[in-house]
Amino acid sequence: EDQVTQSPEALRLQEGESSSLNCSYTVSGLRGLFWYRQDPGKGPEFLFTLYSAGEEKEKERLKATLTKKESFLHITAPKPEDSATYLCAVLGDGSGTYKYIFGTGTRLKVLA
Amino acid sequence: DGGITQSPKYLFRKEGQNVTLSCEQNLNHDAMYWYRQDPGQGLRLIYYSQIVNDFQKGDIAEGYSVSREKKESFPLTVTSAQKNPTAFYLCASSPGQGAGGYTFGSGTRLTVV
Repeated sequence: EDQVTQSPEALRLQEGESSSLNCSYTVSGLRGLFWYRQDPGKGPEFLFTLYSAGEEKEKERLKATLTKKESFLHITAPKPEDSATYLCAVLGDGSGTYKYIFGTGTRLKVLA
Repeated sequence: DGGITQSPKYLFRKEGQNVTLSCEQNLNHDAMYWYRQDPGQGLRLIYYSQIVNDFQKGDIAEGYSVSREKKESFPLTVTSAQKNPTAFYLCASSPGQGAGGYTFGSGTRLTVV
């Protein structure tokens, strides 16, 4: 069964304390893995697309990596404004139709 | 600036009432989607459309209806048949169904009163 699991569910960091969020996935015919940031009461904001194992993408304090079974979102020296829920999604087409599956997210709180 | 506009931001529905949520995009995207977000659950797909005058049911389409008469617009009607409509509704678009990164609207929070 295609699925996406994110861990931890919630994470509290001190400002400057680097850490990683995990996204484990099972999908047939991976077409891409996507990271989004969602602030409370707002729609998700697209961050990165990763297409193949070994690929990495960076944006400011965020770096996303991909293996054949999971992706990590590394947050280096986070600031309070990085507090948000981070969502992972995968797109697969192994069944002949596109399937886009979201994880339940990691709620990140960065304390000043 | 290009983007997706959802309205209203907050909506209250009485029992037995149909309500319509608006979604408009000016990104020239072919594909549009409606998702429902509940606490502790991932986004669940209600309906999607790849082209004007065509749409497909998602995983939780019961109690909902859509139309796609214009490329820019994809309204969602929550009917009285939807027994648990209180949720945060998100509209999204992408250049095509196989194109990955979605652009989302700011959402509509629907509450049953």
